[in-house]
Order: sequence, then C-alpha cells, then structure tokens
Amino acid sequence: GNSVTQMEGPVTLSEEAFLTINCTYTATGYPSLFWYVQYPGEGLQLLLKATKADDKGSNKGFEATYRKETTSFHLEKGSVQVSDSAVYFCALVTSNTGKLIFGQGTTLQVKP
Amino acid sequence: KAGVTQTPRYLIKTRGQQVTLSCSPISGHRSVSWYQQTPGQGLQFLFEYFSETQRNKGNFPGRFSGRQFSNSRSEMNVSTLELGDSALYLCASSASETSGYNEQFFGPGTRLTVL
Repeated sequence: GNSVTQMEGPVTLSEEAFLTINCTYTATGYPSLFWYVQYPGEGLQLLLKATKADDKGSNKGFEATYRKETTSFHLEKGSVQVSDSAVYFCALVTSNTGKLIFGQGTTLQVKP
Repeated sequence: KAGVTQTPRYLIKTRGQQVTLSCSPISGHRSVSWYQQTPGQGLQFLFEYFSETQRNKGNFPGRFSGRQFSNSRSEMNVSTLELGDSALYLCASSASETSGYNEQFFGPGTRLTVL
C-alpha cells in the first residue's frame, strides 16, 4: 500500500542553522507530495507541494524537490528561526483518491 | 473568508458513550474530510464527504460514522467510545469537484478525551 516515512525527531537546532528533514514514500502511480506544518494547539497548514517528478515546492524559505528515482521529498531550509519550531508532516495523495497519507511527523525545536 | 471551524474544541467522555463532532467548511467548499491524530498512530484518514455522499473511507471500524448536510457542514459520530479513541480529530475542506487532489484546508481540531 501507499506509505510515507519521515526521519524521527525531535530535531533540535540553533537559530540560523541549516535544516533537513528526510521523507521517503511508497506509492502506486504518480502521487502528489506535500509538507504540512502544525504549530502548537493548531491544525495543519500546507507549507509546500509538488505534483510531479523534479518539481520543487517552496514557501517561506523552505524547499523540497520531488525525486522519483529515490522516492524522496526532503524538506530543507537554509537558516531556521525560533518561529519555525513546530511539527512537520510529509504527505502524499494518489491521483485516484482524495485522501492524504501522512508520515509520522517530525518535531523541530529551534533555540535562540 | 472564514476558515474551517470545528466544535467543540475540547470534549471529555467516558467509555461506552457516544460523541458527535461538527465541522463547518470554508464557504463554497463542498468536500469535507476527517482525520484522527494520535501520538501512536499519527494522522489517519477517516472519511471524505462530497455533496452529502461519502466518497472515500479509511480503515476504521463501523463505530465511526459521518454525514454531510446540504450546506456542506459535516458531523462525525463515534459510538461506544473506547479509551483508544482519545485523539485530536481534524476536519479539512476543499473545493474539490472530482475525486483527486485539491488543496485541503484544516480546522483547529476537536480534542476528545475518553476516560
């Protein structure tokens, strides 16, 4: 079946450090890929997306590239801020359903 | 536009009871999906409704059910509550006209605690 695997957290970084959160997927067909962010006490917000191979999604300094050959969609940011502290979820949807399949989530803590 | 709203935000029930959660989608959105979030299982898809019809269903027992009204508002019901049903229940709406991806906008969730 379809699945998403994320690196385990928590990830603790100092402000202005480089961030990578790994995400790999298993899916039939050609999924669309997403990163969602969840701040404490809130629902999920779409951070970025990519709908086909080699697409790069980007938003608020975060980037991720859809790599079909390695079935990966790693999240990166060049310089994190304290305000980036949250839980990050990688997710996919396949073309024949409307349901999102999520990874387990990675908690990011950024210290001043 | 107002976002997705969910009521109540917090709920405490005891085992064996039933509960109904409500979700109001963004105005104009016709698709509503429900997800369960727990520390152990993460985020899992429950079901999706579009135009008052269930369009997709996840792997949950029949105790979990839902419905959608003509104004696109949706409710989900859990009967005979178990301790393991304690979770954050998230609702998401999208403008989807066909099955397949359209951006889903999430509400803040209802935190259900079963004692």
